[in-house]
Parts: sequence; C-alpha cells; structure tokens
Amino acid sequence: GAGVSQTPSNKVTEKGKYVELRCDPISGHTALYWYRQSLGQGPEFLIYFQGTGAADDSGLPNDRFFAVRPEGSVSTLKIQRTERGDSAVYLCASSLREGVSSYNEQFFGPGTRLTVL
Amino acid sequence: AQKVTQAQTEISVVEKEDVTLDCVYETRDTTYYLFWYKQPPSGELVFLIRRNSFDEQNEISGRYSWNFQKSTSSFNFTITASQVVDSAVYFCALSEAGYNQGGKLIFGQGTELSVKP
Repeated sequence: GAGVSQTPSNKVTEKGKYVELRCDPISGHTALYWYRQSLGQGPEFLIYFQGTGAADDSGLPNDRFFAVRPEGSVSTLKIQRTERGDSAVYLCASSLREGVSSYNEQFFGPGTRLTVL
Repeated sequence: AQKVTQAQTEISVVEKEDVTLDCVYETRDTTYYLFWYKQPPSGELVFLIRRNSFDEQNEISGRYSWNFQKSTSSFNFTITASQVVDSAVYFCALSEAGYNQGGKLIFGQGTELSVKP
C-alpha cells in the first residue's frame, strides 16, 4: 500500500510570502504529526492531529504557523509571512493510534524542503 | 523535561567494523518509549526499533542490537560488521506515554555514520 506522501517535494518562496504544505497520510491512520527538521538537526515536533482536531499544537513556533485536517485525512501546514528562518524540511508522519494507552509506530513521509529567499 | 542527547555528531568506520551509537535520554515519566530511526541520504526516516520503559531486555535483529539501561538512561545501538549501506544519519527518539501525550517524538540531534569500503 501507499505510504505517507507530501507535496510539493521542494518549495522555494520569497520572504513575506504565504505557503501551504500538504500531507497525505496512510489510509486509515487517525493520527497525523508534523515535524520540522533544520539542517544538521533532528526533527522537532510541531503539531499533532487525532482525527480532525489538533490535539497538541505546542510545537508551533508562533502564530504564523497553522495546520488543518478538515476531513481527518489530508493535512495542510500553512505558513504566513514566511521568514528566512523558516527554511527547513517539513516532515509529516501518520500512525494508527488506537488509543491513548497504546502507541503505534509513526510512518514518515519524504518531507517538503522549504527554502525562503 | 524531555530531552534526548546523541553526543556523537559524526562517526567514520571501515567496512566490517563494529560501531556503537550512543543515546542518553531524560524524562520525568515512568512510562515512555524509545526509538531509533535511520535517515539515509534520500531523506526519508526509517523506523528501526521501539522499546517501552518496562522492557529492559536487549534486542538483536540481524546485525543490529540495542542495549537499554534505565539505570543510566541510555539506549545504545550497535551495528556489527558494518556495511557501506549502513551509511546514514541515525536518530534516537523518546515518546512519553502519559494520558494525552499523543505520542509526539522528541529526537536527538542525530549521529552521522559513514562506513567506508
């Protein structure tokens, strides 16, 4: 079956512009995570969805970042007024997440490389 | 506070050598999970192993083995008889399993392993 897919694979934008990054999770996975990976660093958690709702957005760096998952499947990460410091690889992961007392493996997508000029 | 430290930034070995990647973690939770992920040059994170905090048994999978020691808060990863295809960045990660934690992963900074022929 298909894994997690992310589009676009690369996005180059200018400072101050708005961008949207898309994530298609594995079919049937209810949990969806966004991470950001800067050069030479490990991924950093941004936000987590359980179904349609954002269950934990504590990792979003500021209010320029927003994410939605309106139908509980595809998610879009939105960044307003982009800054050069937003340049990174944005990773999406999904998992089955059967319940709060269990834990399921997160499957990662290939990422979107965002470059802000 | 949650934290994962991978003190080795880069390791270079010659093929067939054994190599150990270190991981030290911090958490206040008594129930947590530890992970190792591999990130080859293609960029996609590949899940290798998950351990829960109640299972300190060491695990071996082919050339890979993991040593989990709660007393020293360490979860080290050893590759036996390394191969060129093992060249990648390896990440150790922690997830706290408390209610409503959501399973977000806290990653270390990564260790870049280079295996030379």
